[in-house]
Amino acid sequence: QSALTQPRSVSGSPGQSVTISCTGTSSDVGYYNYVSWYQQHPGKAPKLVIYDVSKRPSGVPDRFSGSKYGNTASLTISGLQAEDEADYYCCSYAGTYTWVFGTGAKVTVL
Amino acid sequence: EVQLVESGGGLVQPGRSLRVSCAASGFTFEDYAMHWVRQAPGKGLEWVSGINWNSGRTGYADSVQGRFTISRDSATNSLFLQMNTLRSEDTALYYCARESSSGWHFDLWGRGTLITVSS
Repeated sequence: QSALTQPRSVSGSPGQSVTISCTGTSSDVGYYNYVSWYQQHPGKAPKLVIYDVSKRPSGVPDRFSGSKYGNTASLTISGLQAEDEADYYCCSYAGTYTWVFGTGAKVTVL
Repeated sequence: EVQLVESGGGLVQPGRSLRVSCAASGFTFEDYAMHWVRQAPGKGLEWVSGINWNSGRTGYADSVQGRFTISRDSATNSLFLQMNTLRSEDTALYYCARESSSGWHFDLWGRGTLITVSS
């Protein structure tokens, strides 16, 4: 159960797009289409923004999108806004009723 | 209001035990699988344990396997985590999280309860 690998930080100017990668293995990200993404603002609980690789919960802006290729999943934030500045974590089901989170990426809006 | 409220955190000495609870309200608790996720100070999220709707299936992270036990009580709409042989590395904010009805992701989170393991 090793944590999924994410970049420590990504940044972009308002209106730009940023992409956060999430690299796992053929036993988790590469095997299951159960990758989810969570946004966490300082001092707050995580919030679901993407599930099942690319589905958006109701209420999440459509500038958030997800994808997966092989053992790597990605979260893209298009039209970056100041309120998107937060930590983002990917998560994957890893089999035998276990889950694994990513190392987390801090998004900075310049 | 749909919510999860954790309780039972505090300061505990290494090697001792502690049980934390999560009270669910505003939804049919027995219909959902539930999980514990923790976050050490200044660190990332770590999935700790999960339990399915009828307690028939449980899972644990390698880091807590054999020391922590998850359980639930539908009569009181409560989720529990019994933590034994606590270590300093168990110091974290422990979140209760609901697994979505469609499965495999967490759609509702509590605000967490802080556990500090220190002598």
